[in-house]
Amino acid sequence: GDSVTQMEGPVTLSEEAFLTINCTYTATGYPSLFWYVQYPGEGLQLLLKATKADDKGSNKGFEATYRKETTSFHLEKGSVQVSDSAVYFCALLTDSWGKLQFGAGTQVVVTP
Amino acid sequence: DGGITQSPKYLFRKEGQNVTLSCEQNLNHDAMYWYRQDPGQGLRLIYYSQIVNDFQKGDIAEGYSVSREKKESFPLTVTSAQKNPTAFYLCASSISGGGGGYEQYFGPGTRLTVT
Repeated sequence: GDSVTQMEGPVTLSEEAFLTINCTYTATGYPSLFWYVQYPGEGLQLLLKATKADDKGSNKGFEATYRKETTSFHLEKGSVQVSDSAVYFCALLTDSWGKLQFGAGTQVVVTP
Repeated sequence: DGGITQSPKYLFRKEGQNVTLSCEQNLNHDAMYWYRQDPGQGLRLIYYSQIVNDFQKGDIAEGYSVSREKKESFPLTVTSAQKNPTAFYLCASSISGGGGGYEQYFGPGTRLTVT
């Protein structure tokens, strides 16, 4: 079945450091890929998405490229801020009926 | 402002009681979803509905029930049959439940504690 694997956290880094969160997937067909962010005690917010191979999603300085050859959708940000501290979820959406398959989430902690 | 509301934010119940969690959306979305989140884990799908008066079980439907009588509303009942009901519950909606890569929008969640 479809699945998403993302790197375990917590990831701790200093302000202005470069952030990468790895995400790989297994899916039949041609899924859409998403990154969601969850701040403490809140729901999930869509960060970015890509719907086909080689698409790059970007938002708020975050980027991720849909790589079909490596079945990956790694999240990157060039210079993180303390306000980026959150849990980040990679997810895939199959074409069938809209079920989102989530990774386990990666907690990111940014220190001043 | 369009969005998804869930109420209440915190809910406490005694074991053996049924409890209903509210989810309302004013985004005019056809599809709605309920997820459960446990500490340190990803989200797991409980139920989903692609259209009014229709819904299907997700991966962990046992001990839960839903209804979809109105497009805007998708309440979730946690029954006494659910063995471990304490969790964070998230409601979501999307334009369509079918293909097309439509993203899901999430509500703020309800934290249910059963003692």
